[in-house]
Amino acid sequence: DADVTQTPRNRITKTGKRIMLECSQTKGHDRMYWYRQDPGLGLRLIYYSFDVKDINKGEISDGYSVSRQAQAKFSLSLESAIPNQTALYFCATSDFGTTGNEQFFGPGTRLTVL
Amino acid sequence: SQQGEEDPQALSIQEGENATMNCSYKTSINNLQWYRQNSGRGLVHLILIRSNEREKHSGRLRVTLDTSKKSSSLLITASRAADTASYFCATEPTSGTYKYIFGTGTRLKVLA
Repeated sequence: DADVTQTPRNRITKTGKRIMLECSQTKGHDRMYWYRQDPGLGLRLIYYSFDVKDINKGEISDGYSVSRQAQAKFSLSLESAIPNQTALYFCATSDFGTTGNEQFFGPGTRLTVL
Repeated sequence: SQQGEEDPQALSIQEGENATMNCSYKTSINNLQWYRQNSGRGLVHLILIRSNEREKHSGRLRVTLDTSKKSSSLLITASRAADTASYFCATEPTSGTYKYIFGTGTRLKVLA
C-alpha cells in the first residue's frame, strides 16, 4: 500500500551495528505497529503505538526500540544487531475508533544481519 | 506464543477448484480478520468477522467463525492463478484490544 512506506527496503549489516528502520504513513491513522516475519512463524508484534505519546511492547520487543516522532512516523531501531534478527520487517497502521479496524501494511524491509 | 495457527500449512489446487483453509486460536476474541500476502510483500486485508457473527461473504470469499471451537475457515471459490499467495488469520483478543495476533499462514498455490 503506497500510503504506508518503509525505508530502507533492503539492508545488509554486520553484527553489533545500530540499525534504524523507518515507517511513514499518509493515511492519517493514529495506530502504528511494527512486526517481524520469519519463515513458518507468521508475523509477530514487536512494538505498537496508539498515538504520539503512547508506546507499548509487543510479543518480542527485546533487542528493539521504537520512536514515534509524529503521528505519521514510527521508527524501529536495533541497537546492536545480531544474526537472529535477520527477518522481514513490516510496519502497519490502523484507524482510531471501534475494534476490528483493518490494518494497512507497508511493503516491508528485508534485513540481513551477518 | 502464537495465537492462531492455520491449517493446512500448504495447499495446491487446480484453477477453478475451491480452496479451504482453517485457523484455530486460543483465547476469546473481539474479531478475526483474514489477510493475503503475495510473495515477500505486505499483507492485504481481505475480510473481517466479528465474534457475534457466524458467516461473512465478500465476492468469492466466504468466512465462517465458530467461537465455541475457537476456529475460523476461509473458503475461496472458483480459484484463479492470481489467488496464489499466503493467507493469514489475525485475531484481536478481548484481553488486548486493538492488538492483532497473526497465525502462521497457509501457502496456497493455484495451478493454471
